[in-house]
Amino acid sequence: GAGVSQTPSNKVTEKGKYVELRCDPISGHTALYWYRQSLGQGPEFLIYFQGTGAADDSGLPNDRFFAVRPEGSVSTLKIQRTERGDSAVYLCASSPHPGTGANVLTFGAGSRLTVL
Amino acid sequence: KQEVTQIPAALSVPEGENLVLNCSFTDSAIYNLQWFRQDPGKGLTSLLLIQSSQREQTSGRLNASLDKSSGRSTLYIAASQPGDSATYLCATSGESGGSNYKLTFGKGTLLTVNP
Repeated sequence: GAGVSQTPSNKVTEKGKYVELRCDPISGHTALYWYRQSLGQGPEFLIYFQGTGAADDSGLPNDRFFAVRPEGSVSTLKIQRTERGDSAVYLCASSPHPGTGANVLTFGAGSRLTVL
Repeated sequence: KQEVTQIPAALSVPEGENLVLNCSFTDSAIYNLQWFRQDPGKGLTSLLLIQSSQREQTSGRLNASLDKSSGRSTLYIAASQPGDSATYLCATSGESGGSNYKLTFGKGTLLTVNP
């Protein structure tokens, strides 16, 4: 597609529930990223995919968070046993292979998660 | 660990004014620095990317400078317009031991341009 698409745009859930957030990157972009932005903060890195594999998942806060990208395109961020502290905007971005030097990411509009 | 600080946190100016947004970072061994714009309820839009070997980049009314040795960058906006109202975020990548795919963001500067 023309841009990075994220669904749902808004998700309200109850504490303890399971949620999935989807990201559809720009066609042909091999690199995909998830960031989390809490209120009043800048985005924080969660995970980076190169193709189908998670090249760096060092930003995932704990084992309740997991992300997949089975066919190297669409990615799903999965959060188990949600907690109120998980409330944030989850941003997805994609880029051509990072290489070195210039690596311009294109971000989606984000999925706003609210855990009651 | 890289820390990125943006000053001021908020700025309100009348239309037509020239303005400067500041960004500082603690680890100067970066691959590049980017400035983003974020509108309410929207994602981030990349404005300018300055590679570590460069000192500035320009796009239209925007000019971004980079001084790696002092760990500072500025975003200059000329002849501001109400449509420039947004949050501006600065981000570095590739600090010591890292790779250029992971961005470290500041908290942003909320800019309001009043007509």
